[in-house]
Amino acid sequence: ELKVEQNPLFLSMQEGKNYTIYCNYSTTSDRLYWYRQDPGKSLESLFVLLSNGAVKQEGRLMASLDTKARLSTLHITAAVHDLSATYFCAVDSLLNTDKLIFGTGTRLQVFP
Amino acid sequence: DADVTQTPRNRITKTGKRIMLECSQTKGHDRMYWYRQDPGLGLRLIYYSFDVKDINKGEISDGYSVSRQAQAKFSLSLESAIPNQTALYFCATSDLPGRGDTQYFGPGTRLTVL
Repeated sequence: ELKVEQNPLFLSMQEGKNYTIYCNYSTTSDRLYWYRQDPGKSLESLFVLLSNGAVKQEGRLMASLDTKARLSTLHITAAVHDLSATYFCAVDSLLNTDKLIFGTGTRLQVFP
Repeated sequence: DADVTQTPRNRITKTGKRIMLECSQTKGHDRMYWYRQDPGLGLRLIYYSFDVKDINKGEISDGYSVSRQAQAKFSLSLESAIPNQTALYFCATSDLPGRGDTQYFGPGTRLTVL
């Protein structure tokens, strides 16, 4: 059974600081997704990582995938308040099925 | 207009009542999904459909049923609602695999079962 674990579950960080959110998964997969959810809102796609070594960046967020280690990271550079949200990673449970298993989410709070 | 819509957005019902949540999409995607979100548990897949004639159970299908009326419409039913089905429900769609596409989520339906 595929399991997806994120850590930390909650992250409170000061503006301007850097931090990394980790996403570990238990079985082979080469498709990993990152989503953002604002309180009371839907999920917004951030990144789609499709191969080992894939790296994508958008603004202050950078995501990477190491399929051999079964690990993805979401790195936050110089955090700003607008990044406060819950971040989810999700893994395709079987190759190319789009049947996603989600992590429990990391709630990020950025304060001045 | 939103690509993925859900109705109703909020619903309060009583134990034992039948309730239907509806999802419509204008993205032209064949694949549709229903998820449930509970605090601290992330999203869990209830049912998914890869085309109109294909319906599959997800992680937590017990107590739920679905209907794929058309490519654009996918409904989730609770035949006899119970309080532990109180949650936030999301519909999502995706394109064919291998195209590097993500899932696109609707705005969610907040369901409370008293």
